[in-house]
Amino acid sequence: GGIITQTPKFLIGQEGQKLTLKCQQNFNHDTMYWYRQDSGKGLRLIYYSITENDLQKGDLSEGYDASREKKSSFSLTVTSAQKNEMAVFLCASSIDPTGSYEQYFGPGTRLTVL
Amino acid sequence: GDSVTQTEGQVALSEEDFLTIHCNYSASGYPALFWYVQYPGEGPQFLFRASRDKEKGSSRGFEATYDKGTTSFHLRKASVQESDSAVYYCALGAPSGGSNAKLTFGKGTKLSVKS
Repeated sequence: GGIITQTPKFLIGQEGQKLTLKCQQNFNHDTMYWYRQDSGKGLRLIYYSITENDLQKGDLSEGYDASREKKSSFSLTVTSAQKNEMAVFLCASSIDPTGSYEQYFGPGTRLTVL
Repeated sequence: GDSVTQTEGQVALSEEDFLTIHCNYSASGYPALFWYVQYPGEGPQFLFRASRDKEKGSSRGFEATYDKGTTSFHLRKASVQESDSAVYYCALGAPSGGSNAKLTFGKGTKLSVKS
């Protein structure tokens, strides 16, 4: 088994601030993902990476940057936080890049922008 | 494009009731199909998957059968417990050997079970 760790668990920012969320996995998985989940809604894909140094845009990439520094870690940056924004950001990983296998999720980072 | 439609909104049951959450998909070929469960304050947890027609996936008393003819993968449980209260997501992936790393998630169905 393995685990996905997301830091911080709670993130409070100011409007216009650049904010960075971090994700670490010890599954030794190749593929990692960032999703956004708004209250009571489903998951929207922001970025994904099929290997170290690879980045691919999802459906919601505008306003975000990502970085896959090494196989085990994947960071997401909110480039300019929007006032009154509240969402949960979920990191996930999968054993392969084909989309045929399950993804495992971390516990999430809860963002509040004042 | 590929899409997943599942029972909308909320399902309210009593303990020991039978559960069905409908999931229908639109995609070519034989996409992989998944069910996930998300408890409050946590990330989604993988329940099970299936990737061939008539294949049954199961876990923790939940099950679903891949039906190519009706393009469905309905989640069922014979007797729900209060601890099953959560949001359930159906998801669609690529066929085996595919080349698209993304999963397409349904909008989620909130199950509330009262004792």
